[in-house]
Amino acid sequence: EAAVTQSPRNKVAVTGGKVTLSCNQTNNHNNMYWYRQDTGHGLRLIHYSYGAGSTEKGDIPDGYKASRPSQENFSLILELATPSQTSVYFCASGDAKEVFFGKGTRLTVV
Amino acid sequence: AQSVTQPDARVTVSEGASLQLRCKYSYSATPYLFWYVQYPRQGLQMLLKYYSGDPVVQGVNGFEAEFSKSDSSFHLRKASVHWSDSAVYFCAVSRGSALGRLHFGAGTQLIVIP
Repeated sequence: EAAVTQSPRNKVAVTGGKVTLSCNQTNNHNNMYWYRQDTGHGLRLIHYSYGAGSTEKGDIPDGYKASRPSQENFSLILELATPSQTSVYFCASGDAKEVFFGKGTRLTVV
Repeated sequence: AQSVTQPDARVTVSEGASLQLRCKYSYSATPYLFWYVQYPRQGLQMLLKYYSGDPVVQGVNGFEAEFSKSDSSFHLRKASVHWSDSAVYFCAVSRGSALGRLHFGAGTQLIVIP
């Protein structure tokens, strides 16, 4: 069964701190994606990857870095977290036929 | 610039009534179009997709959508809603064959009254 697993599911971080959100997929998809969801905006693409070792900027990359150390894992990194990054973050994996989303990580920056 | 507009932030219908959720898109090339549903505290699940061909596409759970190139629309419909259809529905456009590079609308919250 296709699966995208995000960890942690909930996170409270301090302003200025470093935050790492992790994503693991067992679908053997080359492509992986990070989105954030905010009321009134739907989901917006932050970073994506075409395979291990590659990362690309999406529509709103400022303040975020991404890392794809393997086919299965894709991390989103906030080096200096700010309250404006409080949001729900979704990871997805996909290919030319299908896309699967994780259940999301709720991040609160205080 | 590409955009996806869902003009209704919230729609309330009675159980058993018909449903239409509206979606308009602006995209320079032929779009790949999707409808996704999000249940509380869950990720997104795809309801249906349109690439080409018959403009009416069937999806899961009795949902269908109709593509209109002249109107730049991709409205979602269901003949008879159930209370379990209450959720947030997103229209999205894919930028080419990379199906995960999606541009989403703001979403429509559907409330079904039993």
